[in-house]
Amino acid sequence: GENVEQHPSTLSVQEGDSAVIKCTYSDSASNYFPWYKQELGKGPQLIIDIRSNVGEKKDQRIAVTLNKTAKHFSLHITETQPEDSAVYFCAAPASGGSYIPTFGRGTSLIVHP
Amino acid sequence: DAGVTQSPTHLIKTRGQHVTLRCSPISGHKSVSWYQQVLGQGPQFIFQYYEKEERGRGNFPDRFSARQFPNYSSELNVNALLLGDSALYLCASSTRTGGYEQYFGPGTRLTVT
Repeated sequence: GENVEQHPSTLSVQEGDSAVIKCTYSDSASNYFPWYKQELGKGPQLIIDIRSNVGEKKDQRIAVTLNKTAKHFSLHITETQPEDSAVYFCAAPASGGSYIPTFGRGTSLIVHP
Repeated sequence: DAGVTQSPTHLIKTRGQHVTLRCSPISGHKSVSWYQQVLGQGPQFIFQYYEKEERGRGNFPDRFSARQFPNYSSELNVNALLLGDSALYLCASSTRTGGYEQYFGPGTRLTVT
């Protein structure tokens, strides 16, 4: 099965700084890599994703980069705001017909005003 | 459009009892997946259903079962509850099995005493 490692477990930044969260995966056949944001008391919310035929994808202040050779992908948040404070999860699917993702352990991002 | 809905939001049960959790997917989504999220960890896959058929099962004991109805809603059943079953149970829907974009509901918080 897939093994996903996520770092760091906690990230504290000042408002306006950038934040980077990294994940590594083990299944070289994995081809879809989503990132989720989970606020307290809520379910995870899909914020950005990338497929294996693309190296980078941006959506306003959020970007994801993928290095298939090294089997790692990263979430980049620029110009952080206090409302970005949440737990962020990466995920990667095991290869096969059905989409069954393995999630990282999460990164608690704290943005100080 | 309404998102994924889950009921109940909170539940307290005693060891040995059984529980039924319910999920309604986003309109038009035919696939439902169930996850268990223990505090401080990422969601862990339990089941995936598509068109009323089980398409994937995670590493959970037979005490866990699920089904999907003709209207694509789903139930997760857990028998002989253990203290370790205390967790947030999340339901996610997608357009199809292998449809990677998953949208999560708010979850059901289960506490076993």
